[in-house]
Amino acid sequence: DAKTTQPTSMDCAEGRAANLPCNHSTISGNEYVYWYRQIHSQGPQYIIHGLKNNETNEMASLIITEDRKSSTLILPHATLRDTAVYYCIVRVENNNDMRFGAGTRLTVKP
Amino acid sequence: GAVVSQHPSWVICKSGTSVKIECRSLDFQATTMFWYRQFPKQSLMLMATSNEGSKATYEQGVEKDKFLINHASLTLSTLTVTSAHPEDSSFYICSARSNWGLAGSSGANVLTFGAGSRLTVL
Repeated sequence: DAKTTQPTSMDCAEGRAANLPCNHSTISGNEYVYWYRQIHSQGPQYIIHGLKNNETNEMASLIITEDRKSSTLILPHATLRDTAVYYCIVRVENNNDMRFGAGTRLTVKP
Repeated sequence: GAVVSQHPSWVICKSGTSVKIECRSLDFQATTMFWYRQFPKQSLMLMATSNEGSKATYEQGVEKDKFLINHASLTLSTLTVTSAHPEDSSFYICSARSNWGLAGSSGANVLTFGAGSRLTVL
């Protein structure tokens, strides 16, 4: 599976957009990009996933570069409750399990 | 949406005792569930894949006789930490695959996670 690289930590002001980058330069053609987040002492929560097109849902937007070697998760209006560790995972869609890297610790500040 | 329930949410036990953690998919059937372990300030580590009606598949370095997994029905998997020791103290999290997804996504291959079970072995 393709390895991902994320910044260790990021800060964001409340109400502003949070842009979380992820590098996955060795991604294969059939691998999807998944984003999960984990709020302190809770189980991870699914956010969004995509293959090559940009995706948007109620929680976030996912922007994938044309060469698919990197992506950005966008939280359009970050709130204090968005403070969490965000994990970018690359996985073939029919593979069941998810393997987590270190993720990015996002801190939303008032 | 899909919900995965774990019980207990926290447990304290004495060294040498065994502890069972339950993982239930509440509104969907899960032929496969996954067990993770997370130590403080670390990421989640996949321990094993639990398959309904068959033996679990363990990741390298995870002792199958230490961490007994039973997946007897399509909605329940259990993890038993046998003869627990202080080094087994950790946050144990289960997950199951569902086809539920948020609006705007295909929903395929989404893992739903339980809230986790914090084990402290004295």
